Amino acid sequence: AQKITQTQPGMFVQEKEAVTLDCTYDTSDPSYGLFWYKQPSSGEMIFLIYQGSYDQQNATEGRYSLNFQKARKSANLVISASQLGDSAMYFCAMREINTNAGKSTFGDGTTLTVKP
Amino acid sequence: DGGITQSPKYLFRKEGQNVTLSCEQNLNHDAMYWYRQDPGQGLRLIYYSQIVNDFQKGDIAEGYSVSREKKESFPLTVTSAQKNPTAFYLCASSNSGTSVHEQYFGPGTRLTVT
Repeated sequence: AQKITQTQPGMFVQEKEAVTLDCTYDTSDPSYGLFWYKQPSSGEMIFLIYQGSYDQQNATEGRYSLNFQKARKSANLVISASQLGDSAMYFCAMREINTNAGKSTFGDGTTLTVKP
Repeated sequence: DGGITQSPKYLFRKEGQNVTLSCEQNLNHDAMYWYRQDPGQGLRLIYYSQIVNDFQKGDIAEGYSVSREKKESFPLTVTSAQKNPTAFYLCASSNSGTSVHEQYFGPGTRLTVT
C-alpha cells in the first residue's frame, strides 16, 4: 500500500491567491514526522516545513502552513499569496521513527503552476 | 557554508561501464541517502547509511553499490548490471537518532547512459 499519497498530479493557481496541496499518509507507527519539499526545475530539493506526529499545533513557516489532521491521516500544504517563483514540483514525505528503519517515504509529487 | 555537494552535475556514459557518483557533506550528519528520480516521478530510495562503515539497501538497490568509509562521503556506483541507469540521482543527509529531522539534499547528478 502507498504510504504517501498525493492525488493531484498538477495544480494551477492565480498569482497572489492561496493554494492547498493534498497529502495523505498511512502508518501504524505512533512516532513519525511529515515533511514538504519543493523541487524547482533545476532539480534541487528544498525543505519547506515539518510536522511531528505529537505536535499539537499546525506548523507554519512564512507563507507555508501545514493543515495536519491526524485522525484523517492528512497533511496538506497551504501556500498563501502565491508567487511566480512558487511554480515547482512539491513532494510530501514521511519518516517513521520506530518502523521502516527511520527511512523517508516520498509521494509522487504535485506540479504547481502559478499563473500571472 | 555547510551543505552537500554532488559531482558532476551531468554525467554521460556508455552502456556496460560502471560509473561512480560523488556525494560529500560537511554538515556533520550521521545519516546519508541515495535516491533515484525518473522524469515526472517521485524519489525512490537506493541505499542509505546511518553510520560510518554501515549501510542498508533501499527499495531499488539492484545494480547499485555504495561505501561509507568516512562520515562525510557516501559515493554511489552505478554498475553495468543496472538495467536502466539513466535518471536523476539525489544524495541527502540528516541527523539520525530518536527524533525526526528533515533531510538536506545535494543539487543532484543527471546520468545519461547510451
